Amino acid sequence: QQQVKQSPQSLIVQKGGISIINCAYENTAFDYFPWYQQFPGKGPALLIAIRPDVSEKKEGRFTISFNKSAKQFSLHIMDSQPGDSATYFCAASRRDSSYKLIFGSGTRLLVRP
Amino acid sequence: NAGVMQNPRHLVRRRGQEARLRCSPMKGHSHVYWYRQLPEEGLKFMVYLQKENIIDESGMPKERFSAEFPKEGPSILRIQQVVRGDSAAYFCASSPLGVAFEKLFFGSGTQLSVL
Repeated sequence: QQQVKQSPQSLIVQKGGISIINCAYENTAFDYFPWYQQFPGKGPALLIAIRPDVSEKKEGRFTISFNKSAKQFSLHIMDSQPGDSATYFCAASRRDSSYKLIFGSGTRLLVRP
Repeated sequence: NAGVMQNPRHLVRRRGQEARLRCSPMKGHSHVYWYRQLPEEGLKFMVYLQKENIIDESGMPKERFSAEFPKEGPSILRIQQVVRGDSAAYFCASSPLGVAFEKLFFGSGTQLSVL
């Protein structure tokens, strides 16, 4: 019930292409869904987040699509750049659980020049 | 405004020794979370603290692990009698009190290696 399942495990995209990473959750009590970006040797950095009352949120080249009925959400990176090469984690949390994050297993993205 | 500061960045311990990991949250942040990351895996929640209080330690192993966040000074994650399985990256995150406290900001982590 507390799991967040993330796919794919790894992804290779050409520069300028669209990167898509998917996550699914079970616990309908989750009310906050962030995406984190992590470079080697660094801590995760908050990229973009969404709440279940909206179906899409866009910030620059990054978009979260949220499907409440399917309990799924995804990250789309438009015009992917080599500098986007990193590991991406989806996560979920809930207010009544002190917003402790439950992370997906991560997706290693490689954007080829 | 400095970010979340963790030290040391790398810590090497022999089996049976103690490991102390420190975390100074961002200025103005009063919530601290500790996470553990094993190689090629996501981060796993360990403990959530506010000043002088442990709020949620549901992710902490029952033995050898403890955490504190004193009124003054950094938060400390303490691992007694370390074993090889404790080798991992340990990340601290902080969040502000009140509005937007769901936004966690992570430090660069402490890489613990147990020989």
